[in-house]
Amino acid sequence: DAGVTQSPTHLIKTRGQHVTLRCSPISGHKSVSWYQQVLGQGPQFIFQYYEKEERGRGNFPDRFSARQFPNYSSELNVNALLLGDSALYLCASSLPRETPLHFGNGTRLTVT
Amino acid sequence: EDQVTQSPEALRLQEGESSSLNCSYTVSGLRGLFWYRQDPGKGPEFLFTLYSAGEEKEKERLKATLTKKESFLHITAPKPEDSATYLCAVPTLAAGNKLTFGGGTRVLVKP
Repeated sequence: DAGVTQSPTHLIKTRGQHVTLRCSPISGHKSVSWYQQVLGQGPQFIFQYYEKEERGRGNFPDRFSARQFPNYSSELNVNALLLGDSALYLCASSLPRETPLHFGNGTRLTVT
Repeated sequence: EDQVTQSPEALRLQEGESSSLNCSYTVSGLRGLFWYRQDPGKGPEFLFTLYSAGEEKEKERLKATLTKKESFLHITAPKPEDSATYLCAVPTLAAGNKLTFGGGTRVLVKP
């Protein structure tokens, strides 16, 4: 079975631009979460979606938004990019409740 | 607010030199603790879930244990392929299935 897939794998953007990151969950997983991982740190929670509804939001500014589609895939959007948004953005899918998250290999975003 | 702290930040081992990684946590009601392995440029790979104090899980050279305040990941007779960053995380009651991660321990095993 395919794991969590993310696209693109790498992205370079300029300050002030907008970016959209995409994620396809493991088949049968209805929950998708997004995490930001800055180099040398653990992942930080951004959003969780379940059945197309936002179920949790981390301490990130409103420039960050996400949505989940009927096929359970998801997009993360970041507006007005800042240099500090440079990070590895991880998508994870899971079965409901306290079950392990299964991560994709992330999108490496560099903001110049 | 839930907190997870891992130590040491980095660990250099000779092949065959066993060691332990620590993950201490402060949560309002433990609902499990997860260990992940992360290779450079990759996403975290799930290793273990522990749910209650006294529980142990093993996989090859890795063994995870859990007490009421901390978890240990023991690496027995490590090989160079065990080199990675090891992350622990706890689920948070609020915010769905959010995980709070520690900062990770970077393990380097030299032949």
